[in-house]
Amino acid sequence: EPEVTQTPSHQVTQMGQEVILRCVPISNHLYFYWYRQILGQKVEFLVSFYNNEISEKSEIFDDQFSVERPDGSNFTLKIRSTKLEDSAMYFCASSGGLAVTGELFFGEGSRLTVL
Amino acid sequence: AQSVTQLGSHVSVSEGALVLLRCNYSSSVPPYLFWYVQYPNQGLQLLLKYTSAATLVKGINGFEAEFKKSETSFHLTKPSAHMSDAAEYFCAVIKDNNNDMRFGAGTRLTVKP
Repeated sequence: EPEVTQTPSHQVTQMGQEVILRCVPISNHLYFYWYRQILGQKVEFLVSFYNNEISEKSEIFDDQFSVERPDGSNFTLKIRSTKLEDSAMYFCASSGGLAVTGELFFGEGSRLTVL
Repeated sequence: AQSVTQLGSHVSVSEGALVLLRCNYSSSVPPYLFWYVQYPNQGLQLLLKYTSAATLVKGINGFEAEFKKSETSFHLTKPSAHMSDAAEYFCAVIKDNNNDMRFGAGTRLTVKP
């Protein structure tokens, strides 16, 4: 069964360092998403991406964050200069259609720890 | 703007008992509502979704949810809990018919033997 895969599963970094989280969405999907879940809190929407550009983003997704689909298969989330409060589980998701009509398929997450 | 509220951060039931996880939505237009499940150390998996086709929605693993407009609710139920149902459950809504899916705070379900 096709699945969304994420790497790394866990990354520890120092405050101020750049981090790139990688995702391989399901191959025929067109919409891509990043969510995050701070420990013990709700899952929060960060950004959605379609046709090589951001389609929606939340207030969390500030200038420190960027997304890219560099090679037609990977979908990356970059945090330019990490802060302690960026420590969270980051989930990538993809869907074949709009979220309202299509199911979002989630990866298992990348846990980011910022020291 | 659409949002969801899950009542009860933790629900504990005995194996074989009824499971009821509560979700209320706020929306000025008919919403698109979802229930997702998260097993330990895993991603989110869709249980079921409401997209206005039918008010009673059946999902995987014996779960179902009923959309009640008069109560602005979309509670998740299962007649008989199984140990394998222990997980975190999230109610979600699509915000303003776009790709921005908003999740509730989650309800952790514990099933006692």
